[in-house]
Amino acid sequence: DAGITQSPRHKVTETGTPVTLRCHQTENHRYMYWYRQDPGHGLRLIHYSYGVKDTDKGEVSDGYSVSRSKTEDFLLTLESATSSQTSVYFCAISERTGGYSNQPQHFGDGTRLSIL
Amino acid sequence: KQEVTQIPAALSVPEGENLVLNCSFTDSAIYNLQWFRQDPGKGLTSLLLIQSSQREQTSGRLNASLDKSSGRSTLYIAASQPGDSATYLCAVEAAGNKLTFGGGTRVLVKP
Repeated sequence: DAGITQSPRHKVTETGTPVTLRCHQTENHRYMYWYRQDPGHGLRLIHYSYGVKDTDKGEVSDGYSVSRSKTEDFLLTLESATSSQTSVYFCAISERTGGYSNQPQHFGDGTRLSIL
Repeated sequence: KQEVTQIPAALSVPEGENLVLNCSFTDSAIYNLQWFRQDPGKGLTSLLLIQSSQREQTSGRLNASLDKSSGRSTLYIAASQPGDSATYLCAVEAAGNKLTFGGGTRVLVKP
């Protein structure tokens, strides 16, 4: 299994509070991603990173920010959590060889976040 | 905007029967198509990746085909087992190293 650790695994918090989720990898992969998974919407990309300090928005980036100061860590922050951000959040990593998209993405076990 | 559809949403088969899972996508400008398995409460496990230049990939009892021109992929699982029960997701990768996922097919293999 790819070395991906998400923390915390479960969190319950209140509307309006800041929340930070952490993804840590031991594979030295360049690409890291944050997704959310919701019934009826499937998996949707929030933000991704293609190197240290290099990030870009995904499909559902509003209300989220990310940071990547080291290759191994990718943080997802909800500045002021809302109930609509209750979801399961997954981190994924990938690499390219020879400049081609020929490697699959590998996923962590997820963080279940409930915002009351 | 790329859209990925998986039909049926759920499937139940007796043990030993072959499984056929379908995935369709609207934009053929893809780099690859990936199949994943997800068990309840778990993350996704990569099963197969088919490059846009390839027609199929095989791994053990799994075989995936890709017809880019028609926007379709099929995942075949031979001689299904109860341990194959899970949700299967397909995803396509387009420009920007981003994956777009289908809604998944939930499979139950009955002993």
